[in-house]
Amino acid sequence: GAVVSQHPSWVICKSGTSVKIECRSLDFQATTMFWYRQFPKQSLMLMATSNEGSKATYEQGVEKDKFLINHASLTLSTLTVTSAHPEDSSFYICSGLIGGTTDTQYFGPGTRLTVL
Amino acid sequence: AQSVTQLDSHVSVSEGTPVLLRCNYSSSYSPSLFWYVQHPNKGLQLLLKYTSAATLVKGINGFEAEFKKSETSFHLTKPSAHMSDAAEYFCVVSGGFSGGYNKLIFGAGTRLAVHP
Repeated sequence: GAVVSQHPSWVICKSGTSVKIECRSLDFQATTMFWYRQFPKQSLMLMATSNEGSKATYEQGVEKDKFLINHASLTLSTLTVTSAHPEDSSFYICSGLIGGTTDTQYFGPGTRLTVL
Repeated sequence: AQSVTQLDSHVSVSEGTPVLLRCNYSSSYSPSLFWYVQHPNKGLQLLLKYTSAATLVKGINGFEAEFKKSETSFHLTKPSAHMSDAAEYFCVVSGGFSGGYNKLIFGAGTRLAVHP
């Protein structure tokens, strides 16, 4: 099946610093990737959609200057949390849209971010 | 607008007994529906997908779901629970086609506990 990896799996940073999370599709090309946020014991909330070679589309209420998304290749998207604060602590999950479908997403294992 | 409601936040069953996880959806058109499973510290795994073909959809690990348009339901079942089925289960509906893809809208999740 389609495999998506994320790196790192967990990260702890100090308040005010920036953190980059990588999302890779290992065995398929993902022209579209998605970034979700999941708070403890809650569901996934879509943050933004990234298309290879173009600007990301952010959901309402998501600060685009705080959550920078880059989709430079068909297998790699990155999420950078800039000037992180404790309230940004969360579980960040990416997914890739498999080619030939419009809605079958394959998800990465997630990255747990803790901001001190 | 599309939405999905998982009727139970927690379900507890004994090993070897049937599993029923309930999901109702709301959609202005014929939707795609999914069930994903999330094991602790692991990524979401696609269990099954309904796309307007057969109303009874068979998935992995013995799970299946039945699409009932008259009841706007897409309940997930398994005849006999296994300890390894203990996880969080998400019912998901595709929510609006735009830009070449459908966004996914997640239910709140149902935590399944399996007891010996």
